[in-house]
Amino acid sequence: KAGVTQTPRYLIKTRGQQVTLSCSPISGHRSVSWYQQTPGQGLQFLFEYFSETQRNKGNFPGRFSGRQFSNSRSEMNVSTLELGDSALYLCASSLIASNTEAFFGQGTRLTVV
Amino acid sequence: GNSVTQMEGPVTLSEEAFLTINCTYTATGYPSLFWYVQYPGEGLQLLLKATKADDKGSNKGFEATYRKETTSFHLEKGSVQVSDSAVYFCALSDTGTASKLTFGTGTRLQVTL
Repeated sequence: KAGVTQTPRYLIKTRGQQVTLSCSPISGHRSVSWYQQTPGQGLQFLFEYFSETQRNKGNFPGRFSGRQFSNSRSEMNVSTLELGDSALYLCASSLIASNTEAFFGQGTRLTVV
Repeated sequence: GNSVTQMEGPVTLSEEAFLTINCTYTATGYPSLFWYVQYPGEGLQLLLKATKADDKGSNKGFEATYRKETTSFHLEKGSVQVSDSAVYFCALSDTGTASKLTFGTGTRLQVTL
């Protein structure tokens, strides 16, 4: 079956703009988590959604937001982009919220110029 | 808060050499522990996991044992192959799921012929 799909794969934005990234989980998976990966900070948890509700949130400013739709697809939005937001954004899905295996997508590479 | 400390890389080994990548953690309670692998240009793949003390996770010749007394989860493989070249991440979850992970900084492994 299809894996976790993230779109777009690559994105270039200008400082001050906003961006929306999309994640389609594996069919039947209802939990979606987002991570930011940078050379300096490594992999950091952004937030998790389950059944359209945010269950957990990492330590990121309010410019980072997300949502989940009834079909479990998720989007994350970053407003007022800063150079430091340049990163690989990874999405992971799990079958249910209590599952101990997360499947990751290939990520969206965001470059802010 | 939770944290994961991994040995610095890169680690360079000859094919068929023995591999150890050290991982120690700080967490409250009884976290679940994971090793993920990231190949170039790819997302993360779950390599193995352990959910309670003394559990041994194993997959593709890799092993790691959950040691609560030393708060460690070291990754080992008896004979590495060139195809094992990748970045390895140790991670923990204190929610009992894989949906909110705290990652180590990653250890790059390079295996040469």
